[in-house]
Amino acid sequence: ELKVEQNPLFLSMQEGKNYTIYCNYSTTSDRLYWYRQDPGKSLESLFVLLSNGAVKQEGRLMASLDTKARLSTLHITAAVHDLSATYFCAVEDDSWGKLQFGAGTQVVVTP
Amino acid sequence: EAQVTQNPRYLITVTGKKLTVTCSQNMNHEYMSWYRQDPGLGLRQIYYSMNVEVTDKGDVPEGYKVSRKEKRNFPLILESPSPNQTSLYFCASSYRGMRGDTDTQYFGPGTRLTVL
Repeated sequence: ELKVEQNPLFLSMQEGKNYTIYCNYSTTSDRLYWYRQDPGKSLESLFVLLSNGAVKQEGRLMASLDTKARLSTLHITAAVHDLSATYFCAVEDDSWGKLQFGAGTQVVVTP
Repeated sequence: EAQVTQNPRYLITVTGKKLTVTCSQNMNHEYMSWYRQDPGLGLRQIYYSMNVEVTDKGDVPEGYKVSRKEKRNFPLILESPSPNQTSLYFCASSYRGMRGDTDTQYFGPGTRLTVL
């Protein structure tokens, strides 16, 4: 059974500093997704990572996937207040279509 | 505008009264999926569909039914709702190629369901 572990679950960031969120999973997969959710809102897709070594960047966010280590990272560069949200990773198991979410990382960025 | 719509957005009902939450997308996406979000339990997949007439169980399918008769619609049916189905429900869709290639998943605005 696929298990997805995300850490930390809560991250207090100072503006201007760099941080990383980790997403570990338990079985083979080469499809991993990152989402953002603002309080009271729906989910917004950030990145789709489909192969080992995939790296994607958008603004201050960069996501990477290491399928051998079963690990994805979401790196935040020079945090700003607008990045305050909850970030989820989700892994698709080998029977395509079935997704397992991590517990989410609540990010709060303060001056 | 590309979008996933869900109706109703809010619903309060009673135990045992059948209900349907509709989901529709206008992007001609092959893949559609239902999730529920609960405090402390996070996001869990209920059912998904890789294309018309193809549906599969996610992690928590008990008490739910789905159908995919047309590409754009993926309704979630609760035949006999119970209080433990009180939750926030999201529908989502994405492109799926023949070789399983995929892209951004678009989420609907959510349906907050309360079963008394």
